[in-house]
Amino acid sequence: DTGVSQNPRHKITKRGQNVTFRCDPISEHNRLYWYRQTLGQGPEFLTYFQNEAQLEKSRLLSDRFSAERPKGSFSTLEIQRTEQGDSAMYLCASSFSTSGGPSSYNEQFFGPGTRLTVL
Amino acid sequence: GQQVMQIPQYQHVQEGEDFTTYCNSSTTLSNIQWYKQRPGGHPVFLIQLVKSGEVKKQKRLTFQFGEAKKNSSLHITATQTTDVGTYFCAGLGTDSWGKFQFGAGTQVVVTP
Repeated sequence: DTGVSQNPRHKITKRGQNVTFRCDPISEHNRLYWYRQTLGQGPEFLTYFQNEAQLEKSRLLSDRFSAERPKGSFSTLEIQRTEQGDSAMYLCASSFSTSGGPSSYNEQFFGPGTRLTVL
Repeated sequence: GQQVMQIPQYQHVQEGEDFTTYCNSSTTLSNIQWYKQRPGGHPVFLIQLVKSGEVKKQKRLTFQFGEAKKNSSLHITATQTTDVGTYFCAGLGTDSWGKFQFGAGTQVVVTP
């Protein structure tokens, strides 16, 4: 399977614990996104990488959330001191582009997500 | 900040009927993408629009980008049971690097 993969698929943790999720994008995709989604809502943007550079992030990532994409390949999303409100599906998506500008963003391929439950 | 709103939130459609879902942004967009998510699944890309007034068709689906690039619509003709799912629009602001803001989606239920 050459799609976007995410691990683990499910994570149950206790409040206050730290968790880390991994995303492996489609090979050669230079753009990577993290979103989180709760029931009945659309994906909420968390952060965006172009190769290894983190070019955009929501205000959430200035607090307990942090993301990395070393060497522009896989990415990790860490949540420190988890809270019950962090319970959600965490989605990773990747895309490929060879140019800049609005039309360069192209199709985002989503992974199956990591479902986080904070008790 | 940029907000993307979709209406209606729910759409019940009789099989064979047409319907339209709308996406409105509080700011001008440089790019808008549409996705479909089936229950229990992840979003799947449908289309991307970048030009003012652009119209694109995919079989029974017609997508439009408004002249002011602040709104978009998805029109489905002759709805089929396979159209069931939630349709999301995702807008990219003109001063943004990859920060796609998704709407809350339109959940479509089709009655045979």
